[in-house]
Amino acid sequence: DIQMTQSPSSLSASVGDRVTITCQASQDIDNYLNWYQQKPGRAPKLLIYDASNLKTGVPSRFSGSGSGTDFTFTISSLQPEDIATYYCQQYDHFPTFGQGTRLEIK
Amino acid sequence: EVQLVESGGGLARPGRSLRLSCAASGFTFEDYAMHWVRQAPGKGLEWVSGISWNSGSIRYADSVKGRFTISRDNAKDSLYLQMNSLRAEDTALYYCTKDGRYHDSTGLFDNWGQGTLVTVSS
Repeated sequence: DIQMTQSPSSLSASVGDRVTITCQASQDIDNYLNWYQQKPGRAPKLLIYDASNLKTGVPSRFSGSGSGTDFTFTISSLQPEDIATYYCQQYDHFPTFGQGTRLEIK
Repeated sequence: EVQLVESGGGLARPGRSLRLSCAASGFTFEDYAMHWVRQAPGKGLEWVSGISWNSGSIRYADSVKGRFTISRDNAKDSLYLQMNSLRAEDTALYYCTKDGRYHDSTGLFDNWGQGTLVTVSS
């Protein structure tokens, strides 16, 4: 299985801050990398697919980049409603998820 | 609007069986692969199984292979997961998810249901 290592595991930031989460794959996955947001008590939602494509309807403050083994997810200006856990997920082979990053407001 | 509604969860004894269902609406069900993803209480996400649009390709995570069976009924816009020989470690919220690619089974989960809780305990 392809292992996905996400960092940090938790993060505290202020409203308006730029927030960055990284995800590293244990082998080359090209751009088969997605990012999901999960708010407490809710199902996950797809935000970014194929490393850098924003799903329709998702605010433009969310973005993603990378290819191969190293990927980055960015919130350009943190909003209160962005409090959630974020997961990366690869689908180059059998799908696997990172362990998640819990984002809190400072 | 895509809607995925899971049902069939509950409490089961170790070694027993449960069958989960997912009713889909708001899209042409027969054109998309479907998957089950689970989340143990307080833990992360784990892909369980996926089935292609025509049931021609089926995959399972190693953790459930030989015990779980995924199936679909395109005439009823429904997805199923037959779970046999249940173990305590199968305790989780089970999500039904839609694949994001037309006539392909990729593992891009573009829509999710709200989940159905399975608890395995004696």
